[in-house]
Amino acid sequence: QKEVEQNSGPLSVPEGAIASLNCTYSDRVSQSFFWYRQYSGKSPELIMSIYSNGDKEDGRFTAQLNKASQYVSLLIRDSQPSDSATYLCAVGFTGGGNKLTFGTGTQLKVEL
Amino acid sequence: GAGVSQSPSNKVTEKGKDVELRCDPISGHTALYWYRQRLGQGLEFLIYFQGNSAPDKSGLPSDRFSAERTGESVSTLTIQRTQQEDSAVYLCASSLGGGGVKGFFGQGTRLTVV
Repeated sequence: QKEVEQNSGPLSVPEGAIASLNCTYSDRVSQSFFWYRQYSGKSPELIMSIYSNGDKEDGRFTAQLNKASQYVSLLIRDSQPSDSATYLCAVGFTGGGNKLTFGTGTQLKVEL
Repeated sequence: GAGVSQSPSNKVTEKGKDVELRCDPISGHTALYWYRQRLGQGLEFLIYFQGNSAPDKSGLPSDRFSAERTGESVSTLTIQRTQQEDSAVYLCASSLGGGGVKGFFGQGTRLTVV
């Protein structure tokens, strides 16, 4: 059973700080990695995708992938109250076709 | 339409009844996915359609679940003889290609089986 694990949180950070969200996965041979943001009662929205080791930056967001250690993280710089949401990690496993395996999400609270 | 449209937005049904959920993808999107999200949980893959290819049904939890899509148009997810454990939000997403939902989710259908 392929698994994706996240700490459920809540993770509380003060406004302006860096929020660090982590995700580990069980299968060393994985292809694609995604971070989704989900506000309460809303559907998920894709914010980052990463496919190779290293960092990928997009505005205030940085995704970090380390395949040898089987983790992917999301950093949010200059956190804002509007970043308060649940962040879902999703992994596309080799041989898994087109489906993604999602973690249960980490709730982030950015406090004033 | 401008986005992925799902209907109904909410559905309450009695245990044992059949329900049909509808997804209208973004025009031109060849890939369509159905996922299920139980309360406080991550998303669970159900089924994937890509153009006219045979769908990937590997996530359907039982033979009570079925889905159809004609070409690149509307998809329907049918749950027969609903059970209380079927209560969840059913999310549909479409994208230009496969590779795991780089696209857009609809607002979901919240199904409650009583």
